[in-house]
Amino acid sequence: DQQVKQNSPSLSVQEGRISILNCDYTNSMFDYFLWYKKYPAEGPTFLISISSIKDKNEDGRFTVFLNKSAKHLSLHIVPSQPGDSAVYFCAASGANSKLTFGKGITLSVRP
Amino acid sequence: DAGVIQSPRHEVTEMGQEVTLRCKPISGHNSLFWYRQTMMRGLELLIYFNNNVPIDDSGMPEDRFSAKMPNASFSTLKIQPSEPRDSAVYFCASSLETGGVEKLFFGSGTQLSVL
Repeated sequence: DQQVKQNSPSLSVQEGRISILNCDYTNSMFDYFLWYKKYPAEGPTFLISISSIKDKNEDGRFTVFLNKSAKHLSLHIVPSQPGDSAVYFCAASGANSKLTFGKGITLSVRP
Repeated sequence: DAGVIQSPRHEVTEMGQEVTLRCKPISGHNSLFWYRQTMMRGLELLIYFNNNVPIDDSGMPEDRFSAKMPNASFSTLKIQPSEPRDSAVYFCASSLETGGVEKLFFGSGTQLSVL
């Protein structure tokens, strides 16, 4: 049973436009959320995170929004660049601090 | 820092053979994690160690899987006997647990193919 769900397997956007990657979770005990980015033949790398006490966290072109009532978070990339093409994993953590990952979404940014 | 180092990068073996994956965590990190990535299930946590002690192995799929961490700088994940359904990318990750949420540092993974 997937506690962290990334229901869209892929997303394609034009360079310069906004990319919106969505993530849903089922466990209400999750209180910290992270996004990891993965290039082919490499391990995932940490991108951005948000605590459940916030509803938005911004870092340069990357912004994560959290809607606790809907158990939904999203990653916005503005503007999207070809170098952003990668697999993005949503992850969540609860009291035990273990990370639970989603299946990932493949983002393709077209030049 | 060299980061988390995994070996081998690729492993091709025949069903029934023993497979051993290796990991060297980042120096100073006290937590080590083994993950498996598949298309169907994404990134699954298999087992994690804290200060070389296995804390949670509930993700280990079967008794055919075992993991050890004999010291702070080395860990192995063994599959014996291997089966085709074990084919996946296996990642090792380490972190410095400071009481909060851990940001994991991943190795480049081992691509395992069991024929």
